Amino acid sequence: ETGVTQSPTHLIKTRGQQVTLRCSSQSGHNTVSWYQQALGQGPQFIFQYYREEENGRGNFPPRFSGLQFPNYSSELNVNALELDDSALYLCASSFTGIGNTIYFGEGSWLTVV
Amino acid sequence: TQLLEQSPQFLSIQEGENLTVYCNSSSVFSSLQWYRQEPGEGPVLLVTVVTGGEVKKLKRLTFQFGDARKDSSLHITAAQPGDTGLYLCAFDSETPLVFGKGTRLSVIA
Repeated sequence: ETGVTQSPTHLIKTRGQQVTLRCSSQSGHNTVSWYQQALGQGPQFIFQYYREEENGRGNFPPRFSGLQFPNYSSELNVNALELDDSALYLCASSFTGIGNTIYFGEGSWLTVV
Repeated sequence: TQLLEQSPQFLSIQEGENLTVYCNSSSVFSSLQWYRQEPGEGPVLLVTVVTGGEVKKLKRLTFQFGDARKDSSLHITAAQPGDTGLYLCAFDSETPLVFGKGTRLSVIA
């Protein structure tokens, strides 16, 4: 139990649709990051939010966007879904500082058909 | 090009056997982390190694950071079915974690 909760746990969308995934951070954590984990791969960094501002982004197109709210919860939005977007989407929270540990949620499984 | 190469990609062993998995790179890292990810779960941090040559033990798991801080290994003694999962190494590149593809371990009772 990491204290990071994600919803929904599983969902199926059709190509071209839009999806919103949600994450509730561990209490006291001010930083949230999102990762995409395709089948058979390690997680790949999408972006990170610190105090409601994006402060780092991986190699993902602009149709991947996010938000962080004042309570540090977060959303990941993906527009114009493609088949290759099918993956496990992981949210991770941490407290920015020296020696901070990152805690992952259980992820949201997205299937695009 | 993968910054972190993990090997083997898959490993299936009998309960009680020993095993070692590897995480290699041509880059030098200030630290490396090992995670275990069980089916249906997110990755969970096992250990962070910081000093070249460092060895850390976590029950039956032994982690070693290479002297040159380019590679790391994870050795499991007397593997148990509960050790089954995806073992990931990662380094912290200022902001995000950068993961290898992982070693998928299956321990058969």
